Formats: sequence, C-alpha cells, structure tokens
Amino acid sequence: QVQLQESGPGLVKPSGTLSLTCTVSGVSISTHRYWSWVRQPPGKGLEWIGEINDGDHTTYNPSLKSRVTISADKSKNQFSLKLSYVTAADTAVYYCAMRWVQLGRKFDPWGQGTLVTVSS
Amino acid sequence: QSALTQPRSVSGSPGQSVTISCTGTSSDVGSYNYISWYQQHPGKAPKLMIYDVSKRPSGVPDRFSGSKSANTASLTISGLQAEDDADYYCCSYAGGPWVFGTGTKVTVL
Repeated sequence: QVQLQESGPGLVKPSGTLSLTCTVSGVSISTHRYWSWVRQPPGKGLEWIGEINDGDHTTYNPSLKSRVTISADKSKNQFSLKLSYVTAADTAVYYCAMRWVQLGRKFDPWGQGTLVTVSS
Repeated sequence: QSALTQPRSVSGSPGQSVTISCTGTSSDVGSYNYISWYQQHPGKAPKLMIYDVSKRPSGVPDRFSGSKSANTASLTISGLQAEDDADYYCCSYAGGPWVFGTGTKVTVL
C-alpha cells in the first residue's frame, strides 16, 4: 500500500523560503511515476505546483516556476519542495501525491496535507 | 494557464442525479483524454474518483461516471447518497503542466 506523508515547518516568514518534504512508503520513487505537489489556500481550490519523475525531470506551474524547486532523494525515498520569496498568498495546505504514468494518468494516492502559514 | 471552470455548486435529493461540468480550452481539456475527478470532504485530502475521462478506480461506486465533449468534461453522480456531499475538482493535462478546476460543492438535500 503506497502512502505519502508531508513534513516541514508550519510557519514561514514573508520573503523567506518554504521547504517541505514528502516521505513515500510502499513503493520506490525510482519506479516510473511522477511525484507531485499540489496546494490549497484556505477555503479555495486546488493548484498544481509541479512534479518530478524517476529520471529527475521536473515540470512546474508556469505561474510559480520562477520560485519553485522540486528535488528527490532516492536514498531516503523522499522528494521535496522549495518555494522562495513567499508572501501571505502562499499560505495553504500543501499536498504531495503520486501521479501514475502507466495504468492511467491520475493523482493517487495523496498525502494528508500540511498547513503552511506565511506570517511574521 | 487558467483554472478550469466548474459551477460553484450543485444540489440534489437522495436518489437523484447531478452532473458537474468542467470547461477548459483546446489547450487542455479539448486536446487530451487525461481528465480526472477528485472528491474532497472538509479537512481531508482529495480522493480519486475518475481518471482518463471515464475510468473508475476499484472501490469507487459505479454511480460515478465521467465523459467529455470538445472542451468540456463532465462528472455525473447517479443515485445521490448522503456521503456524496463534498467538493469535487476536475483536473486536466495541459501539455506539460496540469490544471485543476475551480471546484464544485455538491449538496445532498
């Protein structure tokens, strides 16, 4: 059973860098999948942030591309998100998710999500 | 890259059917059959309900079905049940990035 778990600081100062890690269990991140980040501001909809695949190829949301870096640590079976120069608009629940390539294009499963608040 | 357009809310009585639309462009919904739908209850992570336009994962009731025509995808819930009361989001491949819909609140009256 594949499980994902987000971790990282719940509070980040404005203009700082948001850093989150997603720990994956039940499957190696070296398998042919994409490893994604999605966020949801309080009371609002889902926004795709970006993803990394088993070959370390990354794709980012064009609106966030200048501030986002997604990387993977295969030795720890983790992938990470860094979002720089954050503002209050980046306050959101951040989810990590596995995206399938074979057997359908789908985000499944998802982590439980972690709330990150940007505030001084 | 703009969010796909969904109605803000739809409602129905138990046993009735509701359909949620998801309107995009020729650059996303209209070009790819990589449409998925997610159900989200308050305080919970999204749950996959439909993928590749109309495929249903194991464990998802067959009262959930998906379709697509041109730039609009649709999710139909037949025989509404109380537990279907939730937010629903569509998602489409956009030729590199992925884009989610604005979300629809389904209320079971």
